[in-house]
Amino acid sequence: EVVMTQSPATLSVSPGERATLSCRASQSVNSNLAWYQQKPGQAPRLVIYRASTRATGVPARFSGSGSGTEFTLTISSLSSEDFAIYYCQQYNIWPLTFGGGSKVEIK
Amino acid sequence: EVQLVQSGAEVKKPGESLKISCKTSGYSFSSYWIGWVRQMPGKGLEWMGIIYPGDSDTRYSPSFQGQVTISADKSSSTAYLQWSSLKASDTAMYYCARRGYFDSSHYGGFDYWGQGALVTVSS
Repeated sequence: EVVMTQSPATLSVSPGERATLSCRASQSVNSNLAWYQQKPGQAPRLVIYRASTRATGVPARFSGSGSGTEFTLTISSLSSEDFAIYYCQQYNIWPLTFGGGSKVEIK
Repeated sequence: EVQLVQSGAEVKKPGESLKISCKTSGYSFSSYWIGWVRQMPGKGLEWMGIIYPGDSDTRYSPSFQGQVTISADKSSSTAYLQWSSLKASDTAMYYCARRGYFDSSHYGGFDYWGQGALVTVSS
């Protein structure tokens, strides 16, 4: 199965700053990668699909890039509601797999 | 409006069986994959498996193959996740989620999620 590795595990950022999260696949997943945001006590929310396409209603400060095995989620200017855990998921090869998550916390 | 509404929290004993549900509405149930995701307390998301209700094509993660059964009932637009013999290690939040189909050509990530069902297994 494809192993998804996220880094860093925790990122401490001040509101208004930029956050950059990484996700690496153990083999190519083309552009079949999604990012999710999860806040405490809530179900995950789709943020990005096809590596770089924002899901409906997601603010433009979220952007995704990459293909193959290396992917990045960037939040250009962190807002208070963006502090959460972010997961990547590949959906190119069965079984579909998630990364371990990156927590974005307030500095 | 697309909605996925899961059954309520369950408290079970080891060895008992359980079937939890995910009732959907607002879209064509047969035309979208529905998956299940486990989240153990304080841990990350784990992809368990997925079903295409249109033809009952079902895929499992090797970690969950043989441990759970995923099914779907087209007549009630409901997906199910079941265990025949629960273990304490099955204690977790379980989410159902719809796999998105974007731009009429691209199967993507999970675009709609249920609210989650907490399963607690304890003697």
